[in-house]
Amino acid sequence: DAKTTQPPSMDCAEGRAANLPCNHSTISGNEYVYWYRQIHSQGPQYIIHGLKNNETNEMASLIITEDRKSSTLILPHATLRDTAVYYCIVAYTGGFKTIFGAGTRLFVKA
Amino acid sequence: DVKVTQSSRYLVKRTGEKVFLECVQDMDHENMFWYRQDPGLGLRLIYFSYDVKMKEKGDIPEGYSVSREKKERFSLILESASTNQTSMYLCASSLSGKLTDTQYFGPGTRLTVL
Repeated sequence: DAKTTQPPSMDCAEGRAANLPCNHSTISGNEYVYWYRQIHSQGPQYIIHGLKNNETNEMASLIITEDRKSSTLILPHATLRDTAVYYCIVAYTGGFKTIFGAGTRLFVKA
Repeated sequence: DVKVTQSSRYLVKRTGEKVFLECVQDMDHENMFWYRQDPGLGLRLIYFSYDVKMKEKGDIPEGYSVSREKKERFSLILESASTNQTSMYLCASSLSGKLTDTQYFGPGTRLTVL
């Protein structure tokens, strides 16, 4: 699986959009980009995934660059409960192996 | 309500001891996973199992083994515990094993090896 690079931490004001970047310059053509998050003392939670096109669900939006070498997870209106570690992962959709890496610690402040 | 339980929340063992970490899920899931989580390194997959008696190595299997004799139970074994195995161990299960499937995690076992 390709490796990802994420900033170690970010701050965001409550109610504002949180934009979390991820670099995955060695991603291969059939690897997906996945985002998970881990709220303190809980296990990771799946958020969203995509291959080429931008994706949106009830939790977040995922913007993938045209060359697929980077992506951004957008939480449109961050709340205090969105404070968590966010993991960007690239992997085959059927793959069992999940390399979570260190992630980005997002602090949402009132 | 889905549930993954782990036998201990906190465990202290001595170097060289054999350690068993037990995980039980009540969701009839096919797939079960063992991870360890260390500061700055995130979650790393140790082993996973996609069926009874089936197991696959994850990214850091060295020093560990696993056992899955029943569908609901997945055990992680440290044959001879070492201090570098001091960590938080998380067990998870999922229905199909695809990354889009939610993995349900247990509360974790914080193991300290002295």
